[in-house]
Amino acid sequence: EAGVAQSPRYKIIEKRQSVAFWCNPISGHATLYWYQQILGQGPKLLIQFQNNGVVDDSQLPKDRFSAERLKGVDSTLKIQPAKLEDSAVYLCASSSLQGTGTQYFGPGTRLLVL
Amino acid sequence: SQQGEEDPQALSIQEGENATMNCSYKTSINNLQWYRQNSGRGLVHLILIRSNEREKHSGRLRVTLDTSKKSSSLLITASRAADTASYFCATENNFNKFYFGSGTKLNVKP
Repeated sequence: EAGVAQSPRYKIIEKRQSVAFWCNPISGHATLYWYQQILGQGPKLLIQFQNNGVVDDSQLPKDRFSAERLKGVDSTLKIQPAKLEDSAVYLCASSSLQGTGTQYFGPGTRLLVL
Repeated sequence: SQQGEEDPQALSIQEGENATMNCSYKTSINNLQWYRQNSGRGLVHLILIRSNEREKHSGRLRVTLDTSKKSSSLLITASRAADTASYFCATENNFNKFYFGSGTKLNVKP
């Protein structure tokens, strides 16, 4: 069974630029999560999808962050415009049951904003 | 904040010793999960304990949950150098929302 795929693995941009991250969850997993993990901290949930609907985006900075999961499979997280404090690892995870199942994480995308 | 908080923040032990990490949280939960993260990698699920369970084992891992104290502990027995990683607890509350703690960084010296 293939794991959660993310791309790119690394990205360096200047502040005020835009960036997009892509995630392909494990086949058949209905729930998809995007997390932000700042160095030395635990992951912070940005947005949770159930199929192509948003379950929770309460911690997503909606003035600059957006995410979509068209067709309920892969997902894209965008930052526009980026700030220095957005430097972090962006983790995607998926699970087969909403809220009660194990989350499987991808390798993450490490973003550096200069 | 509903986040779980791990204690200690860092732990250094010799190979073969046991490692104990604690997690405290603030609100009612459906379940609590422990994850491991090796440096520069994604998180790997270790074990899930439901709110009606008190103890669970998986290989060298033992997890306890005390809902009256809103706390959990993860015990790794007979630690190995390969156990060196950061360990996070994650709580799922009654609204199916997940919160991760800030983690315990474990270093197992060979």
